[in-house]
Amino acid sequence: NAGVTQTPKFQVLKTGQSMTLQCAQDMNHEYMSWYRQDPGMGLRLIHYSVGAGITDQGEVPNGYNVSRSTTEDFPLRLLSAAPSQTSVYFCASSGGWNTGELFFGEGSRLTVL
Amino acid sequence: GENVEQHPSTLSVQEGDSAVIKCTYSDSASNYFPWYKQELGKGPQLIIDIRSNVGEKKDQRIAVTLNKTAKHFSLHITETQPEDSAVYFCAPQGGTYKYIFGTGTRLKVLA
Repeated sequence: NAGVTQTPKFQVLKTGQSMTLQCAQDMNHEYMSWYRQDPGMGLRLIHYSVGAGITDQGEVPNGYNVSRSTTEDFPLRLLSAAPSQTSVYFCASSGGWNTGELFFGEGSRLTVL
Repeated sequence: GENVEQHPSTLSVQEGDSAVIKCTYSDSASNYFPWYKQELGKGPQLIIDIRSNVGEKKDQRIAVTLNKTAKHFSLHITETQPEDSAVYFCAPQGGTYKYIFGTGTRLKVLA
């Protein structure tokens, strides 16, 4: 079982460039979400989705876009990268909003120069 | 929105001693109380959870206790081992779709 798969694991961007972080899960989970984790800090929710076609903002949504066209995939887009977006990004999924456990990917480390 | 605080932010214990981490939350609708462990270079992983109709839950060396009246729950690790060294997060969840995490506690178990 693959669980939650994130790609790429590492990425370096220049300020102003765009990119997409990919997230896929094979557990048929309804709920998917993106977090960022800065050094020495906790996990902050960027965007989340409760099912295909439905997305909503989390705590720190500015500068990021998401879409959910299928149950399996939940990509995170940076339209114009800024140094403040240098972080480790985690994708997570859950069977339902009241089911509980979040399953995390291994993370994507992004550096914006 | 939900305000979640963890204390302490760092904790060092001698191997074999106990460790306790406390999580305080503000949303009275919270009804699910998990603890996650994050090892270096990995994503967080659930280690124990409790629901609001239960006051305490134990799984071998780890336990979680809940005080809904005071809006806090705690992670207890007994007989700590070096492999317990990690960052621990609480993430109380209520009637919303937002999983908000605490600020994290870095536990160091000294051999």
